[in-house]
Amino acid sequence: GENVEQHPSTLSVQEGDSAVIKCTYSDSASNYFPWYKQELGKRPQLIIDIRSNVGEKKDQRIAVTLNKTAKHFSLHITETQPEDSAVYFCAASGVRGGSYIPTFGRGTSLIVHP
Amino acid sequence: DAGVIQSPRHEVTEMGQEVTLRCKPISGHDYLFWYRQTMMRGLELLIYFNNNVPIDDSGMPEDRFSAKMPNASFSTLKIQPSEPRDSAVYFCASTPQGKGNTEAFFGQGTRLTVV
Repeated sequence: GENVEQHPSTLSVQEGDSAVIKCTYSDSASNYFPWYKQELGKRPQLIIDIRSNVGEKKDQRIAVTLNKTAKHFSLHITETQPEDSAVYFCAASGVRGGSYIPTFGRGTSLIVHP
Repeated sequence: DAGVIQSPRHEVTEMGQEVTLRCKPISGHDYLFWYRQTMMRGLELLIYFNNNVPIDDSGMPEDRFSAKMPNASFSTLKIQPSEPRDSAVYFCASTPQGKGNTEAFFGQGTRLTVV
């Protein structure tokens, strides 16, 4: 089955700096890579996603890149703000039980200091 | 639609007691997932259903855990008997019909504490 590794587990930055979170996956058949943001005490919510036929996607201050050959993808947040502080999860959708099912990384706790 | 609804939001129980967590997926979503979240292991998939049928329960940690989906609008996750190491936040999530590889919509979660 799919295995997703996520690094770092904790990331501390100053407001205005950039933050990068990296993930690797094992199943070359995985074709969908979403990123979720979980604020303290809240549910995970999708912030951006990318499919395997695209190498990069951007939405305002956040961007995701995908390298299928190396089987890794990254989340980039520019001009970080205190409200970006949260836990971020990457996921890779590989086949499990006959359907494409997301497997999540362990999460990155991002702390943005004002 | 109100989104994925879970109940209860918080559950505190004594070791050995039976615990039942409930989930109502978004109408029309035919994939339903149960996840367990802990600091050590992150978000672990316990089981998922497609059209009310359990497809993969390989993530269920022990026979003490069981899950059912009697109809398209309701699922339960039961732990019997509960143990302190079961303490975690349990999330239910659903995805749209026929599209397992798309955004998962999560419920608010149930924070379970077993003392």
